Amino acid sequence: DQQVKQNSPSLSVQEGRISILNCDYTNSMFDYFLWYKKYPAEGPTFLISISSIKDKNEDGRFTVFLNKSAKHLSLHIVPSQPGDSAVYFCAASADSGYALNFGKGTSLLVTP
Amino acid sequence: NAGVTQTPKFRVLKTGQSMTLLCAQDMNHEYMYWYRQDPGMGLRLIHYSVGEGTTAKGEVPDGYNVSRLKKQNFLLGLESAAPSQTSVYFCASSYSFLWDIQYFGAGTRLSVL
Repeated sequence: DQQVKQNSPSLSVQEGRISILNCDYTNSMFDYFLWYKKYPAEGPTFLISISSIKDKNEDGRFTVFLNKSAKHLSLHIVPSQPGDSAVYFCAASADSGYALNFGKGTSLLVTP
Repeated sequence: NAGVTQTPKFRVLKTGQSMTLLCAQDMNHEYMYWYRQDPGMGLRLIHYSVGEGTTAKGEVPDGYNVSRLKKQNFLLGLESAAPSQTSVYFCASSYSFLWDIQYFGAGTRLSVL
């Protein structure tokens, strides 16, 4: 049963505009959330994370927002660049658990 | 700066054959993981290790075995490959558990005919 859901398989955004990638989770025990970025033929690479004690974390063009009551997080990329075109995975973990739970990923295409 | 290295990168097996995937990390990480990624699916954890000589089952362990004889290496074995094991396999490592960033290898693409 998928505990981390990324309901949009793909997203297309123009260069310079904002990209918003969404992620929902069902397990209320999750307390740490991460976003990974994956290019074709490469492994995922860590992008940004947020713990449940925060509602926002920012790193350059990337900001992650967490809404615990809605069990929802989002990744904002501003401004979007063609090099941001990749698959983005949302992942979550619980202190009582043993692993990262990954969503299915959202493929982002940033067009010039 | 190699990070996490997986060998081989590609492999084609016939049903019933066996093989071992090797993962090596040079970051002195305690924790190592094997995931599989299938089309339309996220990464699913097969097995993991919290230190040299220890292994544990993840979400989808059936049909796989693992060994961590040395801290830097984590081996994933398929004793009798099945077409359902056609997938891309990723190895990852981290310094600590859960709250730390996992660093991934480039993956092994395995086809079982």
